[in-house]
Amino acid sequence: NAGVTQTPKFQVLKTGQSMTLQCAQDMNHEYMSWYRQDPGMGLRLIHYSVGAGITDQGEVPNGYNVSRSTTEDFPLRLLSAAPSQTSVYFCASSYQVGTSGRPPYEQYFGPGTRLTVT
Amino acid sequence: AQKVTQAQTEISVVEKEDVTLDCVYETRDTTYYLFWYKQPPSGELVFLIRRNSFDEQNEISGRYSWNFQKSTSSFNFTITASQVVDSAVYFCALSEVNSGVYQKVTFGTGTKLQVIP
Repeated sequence: NAGVTQTPKFQVLKTGQSMTLQCAQDMNHEYMSWYRQDPGMGLRLIHYSVGAGITDQGEVPNGYNVSRSTTEDFPLRLLSAAPSQTSVYFCASSYQVGTSGRPPYEQYFGPGTRLTVT
Repeated sequence: AQKVTQAQTEISVVEKEDVTLDCVYETRDTTYYLFWYKQPPSGELVFLIRRNSFDEQNEISGRYSWNFQKSTSSFNFTITASQVVDSAVYFCALSEVNSGVYQKVTFGTGTKLQVIP
């Protein structure tokens, strides 16, 4: 059981480049989300998904796309990278309802991806 | 819209002192969950506690305790006899639940706690 995995751990992009941050979980969690963490700003929600095929915008969705074709994977796409997207990105997942005695809604976080856009 | 305010940006205490981290939230929903997470210097996010809006009982877990007061929309976190290993950034978070479906989670800006030996 690997939990929530994110790749890559570090990435440097040039302005205008596109890339995809990968996120996968092996806990059969219905809910997945992406956050960005910037100094003094806490964690801000970019996009989230309550199940396969369903996604919605969070607080700061501009410049990012997501899709959820499977329960396990929730990739985050940067369409045209900008220096303002320099940040640490966290993916998280959780159960929607209690499953096998586990509590719902507690989010499990991946280790993060540190992205620098020059 | 939901909002979480952690007014204390940074706190420094001497080891063995007690410290309380404040969290004030805003929501129009009657059903919601509150959380505390810890982010040590290594960077990972660690879940500490979850509390739903219908359970106002305070909780104690070892040196940690949480005081949930709906009347003041607060969910404060106290560390008793602080230790250097408690040094971290602590986040309070709020999620609304609509018909049993987990909705988006809002985090506060975090409080950085430094415990000085």
